[in-house]
Formats: sequence, structure tokens, C-alpha cells
Amino acid sequence: DTAVSQTPKYLVTQMGNDKSIKCEQNLGHDTMYWYKQDSKKFLKIMFSYNNKELIINETVPNRFSPKSPDKAHLNLHINSLELGDSAVYFCASSPGVEFGELFFGEGSRLTVL
Amino acid sequence: GQNIDQPTEMTATEGAIVQINCTYQTSGFNGLFWYQQHAGEAPTFLSYNVLDGLEEKGRFSSFLSRSKGYSYLLLKELQMKDSASYLCAVSDSNYQLIWGAGTKLIIKP
Repeated sequence: DTAVSQTPKYLVTQMGNDKSIKCEQNLGHDTMYWYKQDSKKFLKIMFSYNNKELIINETVPNRFSPKSPDKAHLNLHINSLELGDSAVYFCASSPGVEFGELFFGEGSRLTVL
Repeated sequence: GQNIDQPTEMTATEGAIVQINCTYQTSGFNGLFWYQQHAGEAPTFLSYNVLDGLEEKGRFSSFLSRSKGYSYLLLKELQMKDSASYLCAVSDSNYQLIWGAGTKLIIKP
């Protein structure tokens, strides 16, 4: 029974395409996150939602649009993919915004050709 | 600005002890976290310190000095499976996690 699950695990696509990554958590947590980890392994916060409300929106291009239909789901849509978008994208959740113990999904490795 | 510093890479021998240091400068402090990340996998939570002192959890211990902006993760009786990256993260005044770049730990037999 996976706590935080994200799909797909791998995406290989051409520049200019649009892609989505889905994330679901069954932990009953209020807060969900999207992180990007590039080839240098640096983990960078992109977005954070608390009870479906956006609370962190770091400086990411407008091509990235998160959507949280309910507090158990946080999806990420990326338009007009660029080479620099190639990375591993991690979804994570925590009981609330003040909790730093995050539970991560397995990651989605995006390769843009 | 906010900053977390930790060594890029460390090497240690199986059965030995290793200490991974982390220094931080953040706007406020609501706790320091250590995560472990094996290659190709997701980070997993290891430890949490919010008060000064040592927290022990089996072979792993984490120490915090808030006045010095300093923490370390101590790994004892190293095993090959401890080969991983170790990420230090600090929760700032807004409860946002500020992450270090990670320390890649290589264990040799």
C-alpha cells in the first residue's frame, strides 16, 4: 500500500510537447509538494499546497501549472517542454505546513529530447 | 540570503564511524532535518532536531547547536547499505524547508 504514489515513473518526450504527472497520497495529510531534482541532485521546491490551497509558488516558469482537485491529489502539468526541464520530479506530503518530515513519492524521471 | 552548507562527498570504511557536518544560515529556525537518499530513489526522513543536543536513533545520531548554526549526522558501525546521499534541511520562520545540496557518502569494504 503505497503512501505517496506518482505516475508515470518515466517520461521521455520531445521538446515542445505537453506532459502531466499525477500524485496521490493516502496518508490523510493536509500538505503536498512538488520538488525538482536536477542532475546535480539539488532538491528544489516548486509548489506547495495546503488543503487544496496554493501556499508556496517558487520562481518557476508559467509553463508549470499545479492542480489540486482535493487534498489527497496534486498534479503537475508542464507545457511546451524544454531541454532544461529534464529532471526527476518528486511529489511529497506532510501532515501540515509546520511539519518538516516529508513523505516522498518514488519520483518521475522526465527526459526531454 | 538563506544557506545550507555540507560537504559534497565523503568516503568511509565499513564498520567505521563517520560524521557529516551541516552549517546553516536561515531566516528563523523551526527545526533541522536529515534525510537519506539512495541512488535512484526518493529521500527518506532520518532525524529531526529542534533543541540543542544529541538525538540518538540506533546507529544514527544527530546533533544540533542553534547558537552556532551547526548540526552533524553521526553514523556508527557503517554498513555497505549506508552508501547514499545525506541531505540536511532547515525549516525557516515560514516553515519552509531550505535544503542543502547533499553529501554523497561512499562506503568501502
